[in-house]
Amino acid sequence: KAGVTQTPRYLIKTRGQQVTLSCSPISGHRSVSWYQQTPGQGLQFLFEYFSETQRNKGNFPGRFSGRQFSNSRSEMNVSTLELGDSALYLCASRTDSGFEGQYFGPGTRLTVT
Amino acid sequence: KQEVTQIPAALSVPEGENLVLNCSFTDSAIYNLQWFRQDPGKGLTSLLLIQSSQREQTSGRLNASLDKSSGRSTLYIAASQPGDSATYLCAVRRNSGGYQKVTFGTGTKLQVIP
Repeated sequence: KAGVTQTPRYLIKTRGQQVTLSCSPISGHRSVSWYQQTPGQGLQFLFEYFSETQRNKGNFPGRFSGRQFSNSRSEMNVSTLELGDSALYLCASRTDSGFEGQYFGPGTRLTVT
Repeated sequence: KQEVTQIPAALSVPEGENLVLNCSFTDSAIYNLQWFRQDPGKGLTSLLLIQSSQREQTSGRLNASLDKSSGRSTLYIAASQPGDSATYLCAVRRNSGGYQKVTFGTGTKLQVIP
């Protein structure tokens, strides 16, 4: 079974631009979560999607948004990029059972200049 | 609010040593606890998942234990190898406000010296 895939793997953007990141979960997994990882803040939860609905959200500004499609693929969008948005963005998928673990993709390294 | 702490933050050991990594959490009402490793600049690789009803899980040279009453989990690595060098993270899943939330620990950076 293929793992979680994320595209692109690396991205360089300029302040003020917007960016869209993509995540394809493991086949059969309907829950997709997004995390931001920085050296200073560690791993921080952004949001979780299940069946095209956002059902959980972390403490990030409204510039961070996401969506999920009917095939469970998910996209994350960040508008009006700031230097502090430079981070590794990780996507994780799982089945909806509370007794299953998460499986992570390789991440997208975003650099904002 | 769930807080997850990992001690030590960094650890350096000679190859072949057995070692223990610690994960402490404040809210014992958890669904499960998952251990991950992360290589620099990479995603997280799942190592072991322990359900709230379990006491331990084993995979190869790795053994993870869970003591909910004391809010602790340990990851035991036997006969450490240089390839074990990575950052190890624990993640606790619990119910919060009708949703399931995952809280990650701060990680332990392990270096195994040949």
